[in-house]
Amino acid sequence: GESVGLHLPTLSVQEGDNSIINCAYSNSASDYFIWYKQESGKGPQFIIDIRSNMDKRQGQRVTVLLNKTVKHLSLQIAATQPGDSAVYFCAESMPSGTYKYIFGTGTRLKVLA
Amino acid sequence: NAGVTQTPKFQVLKTGQSMTLQCAQDMNHEYMSWYRQDPGMGLRLIHYSVGAGITDQGEVPNGYNVSRSTTEDFPLRLLSAAPSQTSVYFCASSLGQGGQPQHFGDGTRLSIL
Repeated sequence: GESVGLHLPTLSVQEGDNSIINCAYSNSASDYFIWYKQESGKGPQFIIDIRSNMDKRQGQRVTVLLNKTVKHLSLQIAATQPGDSAVYFCAESMPSGTYKYIFGTGTRLKVLA
Repeated sequence: NAGVTQTPKFQVLKTGQSMTLQCAQDMNHEYMSWYRQDPGMGLRLIHYSVGAGITDQGEVPNGYNVSRSTTEDFPLRLLSAAPSQTSVYFCASSLGQGGQPQHFGDGTRLSIL
C-alpha cells in the first residue's frame, strides 16, 4: 500500500451516503484552492478547484465550499461509491506570480459496502 | 494523451550513488515542478521551472539538481544519494503560474540503503 497514508486521519462512510472532507488552509492571502484524490500507488488526481472570489463550486458528484473567514475548505462527495476510496488532500496557491502551492497532509476515505 | 510520465517507477540505490529521475509531459505546459511525498507530510516542493532554460529552488532543494532544456522534459538529479532522500517523488506540470491545477505523474518510489 501507499506508505504516505500511514498517519492520516480516516473517514469511513457507508456506500451511497454523502462524504464531507475538511481542510484548514494556512494563508489568508491564498486565492486559489484545489482538491486532489490520490489512490494507492498513483499520483494526485485533480478533482475540483475554486477561486477566492467564490464560496461554492459544484462538479459531478462533488462540491467544494470555501469559508475565507475561518480559512476552511471542504469537499462534499454525493452518493459515495467504492471507487471513491482514496486519500484526499487540499492545496492552496498564493497569488499569481509566486508559483507556490501548499499541500495538506490528507484524509483517507474508506467506503464501506 | 499521456499527460505526465515519470520513469522509473521504482528504484533502490546505495548511499553515495547518483541517478536521474525522468519526467516528461506532452501538454505543452510551461510550468513543471518536482515534489517529494513523505509519511505524515504534505507534498514538498524541491525545484520548479517556469519555462525552458529557467529553474528555481523550492522548499527542499538540497541534494538535488534540475535542468530544463526543453518544454517537455524536466529531469531531477540526485547528486550523492542519502537515506534521508528515501521518498516518493512526483513531477507535476501546469498551464500557468499559480491559479491553475497541477497535473501529476504517478511517481517514482526511491529507496536509499
